[in-house]
Amino acid sequence: AQSVTQPDIHITVSEGASLELRCNYSYGATPYLFWYVQSPGQGLQLLLKYFSGDTLVQGIKGFEAEFKRSQSSFNLRKPSVHWSDAAEYFCAVGGLTGGGNKLTFGTGTQLKVEL
Amino acid sequence: DTEVTQTPKHLVMGMTNKKSLKCEQHMGHRAMYWYKQKAKKPPELMFVYSYEKLSINESVPSRFSPECPNSSLLNLHLHALQPEDSALYLCASSQSRGQGNTGELFFGEGSRLTVL
Repeated sequence: AQSVTQPDIHITVSEGASLELRCNYSYGATPYLFWYVQSPGQGLQLLLKYFSGDTLVQGIKGFEAEFKRSQSSFNLRKPSVHWSDAAEYFCAVGGLTGGGNKLTFGTGTQLKVEL
Repeated sequence: DTEVTQTPKHLVMGMTNKKSLKCEQHMGHRAMYWYKQKAKKPPELMFVYSYEKLSINESVPSRFSPECPNSSLLNLHLHALQPEDSALYLCASSQSRGQGNTGELFFGEGSRLTVL
């Protein structure tokens, strides 16, 4: 069975500081990995994804993530956080099935940005 | 056009009411999804449709009835719901098999349901 662990429930950083959100996954094959962001009362927006190739992937809004197979990790990073980055961040793992993509989400990390 | 549109944005219903949530996408995706999200929790998969056929039902109670009338539309019919069914219901779409599927889901902004 596939699963995702996000060990940090809440993280607070100062604006301009760097950020790393942790994600560990369990999956039986080469995983499809995603980071989504959700602002209050909104849907989920895809930040970036990995399914093959270069293990360092770039996303929108200045985010990047690195896939480390040996550590089963896919941590999200940003060198300088902006106040508008405050939101809930979900890591997800999934695989293609004949009938769609079955994604499993982590429990999320709530990011607070101090001005 | 890269949007998934959900209506209504907010819905309040009694336990004896019948209502429907609607979802529309025009990205040419042939897979569509319903997720349920409780406050401070991750989304939980309810149903997946691929090429307008139900492909995944995650043991959802029968008071939730999905329908996919065509490749752009997805409905969720609600009947005899319980207060614990109050949640944000998210619709999503993706490419399906034969479409060069790269795995990601595109989400709508959700329908906030309150059951009294």
